Amino acid sequence: KNEVEQSPQNLTAQEGEFITINCSYSVGISALHWLQQHPGGGIVSLFMLSSGKKKHGRLIATINIQEKHSSLHITASHPRDSAVYICAGGGGATNKLIFGTGTLLAVQP
Amino acid sequence: NAGVTQTPKFQVLKTGQSMTLQCAQDMNHEYMSWYRQDPGMGLRLIHYSVGAGITDQGEVPNGYNVSRSTTEDFPLRLLSAAPSQTSVYFCASSLRKAGWTQYFGPGTRLLVL
Repeated sequence: KNEVEQSPQNLTAQEGEFITINCSYSVGISALHWLQQHPGGGIVSLFMLSSGKKKHGRLIATINIQEKHSSLHITASHPRDSAVYICAGGGGATNKLIFGTGTLLAVQP
Repeated sequence: NAGVTQTPKFQVLKTGQSMTLQCAQDMNHEYMSWYRQDPGMGLRLIHYSVGAGITDQGEVPNGYNVSRSTTEDFPLRLLSAAPSQTSVYFCASSLRKAGWTQYFGPGTRLLVL
């Protein structure tokens, strides 16, 4: 069965800290999505990766296909980064997604 | 573009009632899907569609029906609501040639009493 696991489940950081959220996935997944969900809010797609590394502003996502592992990094964290970060594995002709349970990030000023 | 829209935002049902959650997108995406989000669990796929006239079951399809008569609309029907269907429902769409980036609707919060 395809699975996606995230760690940590909860993360508290001080403003300005470098943050890493990890995601491990099983065979059958060829693309990895990172999503952001603010409390009570909708879900926004941050990245889709099938190889290498992507960067958008202070967010960086990497994927290691051999180790079936992806990381989301936030540099110079800010309280507005406080949200749930979700990784999801997909790929194939229909890209059906399997979701991790999310990482709740709180960045304190 | 409005993106992905969902109605209603919030709904209360009694056990046994039926209702339809609406989802529409104006981006000409071929792929649309419905998810439910429950506390402590990841989003779970209910049904999905790869194009008009084509639908298929996801991980948790029981108690739900879908249809895709047009590219734009993908309604989710609850046939006979049960308390176990209390959840937040998200509709999403994506386009293969755009790299499968997921666009989510704002969600529908459903309470079944």
